[in-house]
Amino acid sequence: GENVEQHPSTLSVQEGDSAVIKCTYSDSASNYFPWYKQELGKRPQLIIDIRSNVGEKKDQRIAVTLNKTAKHFSLHITETQPEDSAVYFCAASPPGSNYQLIWGAGTKLIIKP
Amino acid sequence: DSGVTQTPKHLITATGQRVTLRCSPRSGDLSVYWYQQSLDQGLQFLIQYYNGEERAKGNILERFSAQQFPDLHSELNLSSLELGDSALYFCASSPRTDRDEQYFGPGTRLTVT
Repeated sequence: GENVEQHPSTLSVQEGDSAVIKCTYSDSASNYFPWYKQELGKRPQLIIDIRSNVGEKKDQRIAVTLNKTAKHFSLHITETQPEDSAVYFCAASPPGSNYQLIWGAGTKLIIKP
Repeated sequence: DSGVTQTPKHLITATGQRVTLRCSPRSGDLSVYWYQQSLDQGLQFLIQYYNGEERAKGNILERFSAQQFPDLHSELNLSSLELGDSALYFCASSPRTDRDEQYFGPGTRLTVT
C-alpha cells in the first residue's frame, strides 16, 4: 500500500525567510496530494493541494511542486511570518482508496522573530 | 469554519467508561472519516463511512466502533476506556463527487482519568 514520508520533522526559520517541507510517496498511481496546516489545539486546515496532472501550484506565499518521476512533492512558503508557525501535514491519495488519505508524520514549523 | 460540526468539544471521563462522539458532515458530503491524534502526534486514521456503509478501516481498536446514520451524521463509540485513549478525535468529511478534499471538524478532546 501507499506510504508517505515527510521531512524534516522540525524546521526552524528566520521570519522573512523561505521554508520548504518535502514528502515522498511510494505508490506511483497516487493522484492527489494535499497539504494541511494545524495550529496548536485546532483542526487541520487544507491550505493547498495538487493533482498528478499538474507540476506546480501557487497561492500567494504558498506553493506546492510535484515530481512524479521521483515520487516526491514539496511545500514552499516564502516570506514567512509568525502566523505560519504550525504543524504541516502532507498526504497522498492512491486510486481505489475511496478517497482515503495516507498521511505524513508532520513537520513542526517554527518562525523565529 | 469548515462546515463540519463535532460534539462535545471536551469530554472528561474515567477509565472503564464508554463515550460517544458525534459528527455532522458538511451539507452534501457523503463520506465521513474519523481520526485520533494523541499529544504531539500525527493523525491516525480510524475508520471511514460512505453513505451509511463502512468503506475502510485503519488502526481502530476493537473497543472502538462507529456508524453513520441515514441523515449522514456519524458517531464514534469508545468503550472500556484506558488512559491511553486520551486524545483529540477529529472527524472529516469529503464531497460526494470524485474530489478528494477532506474538511475537518473542530475535534473532541477526550481526557480519560
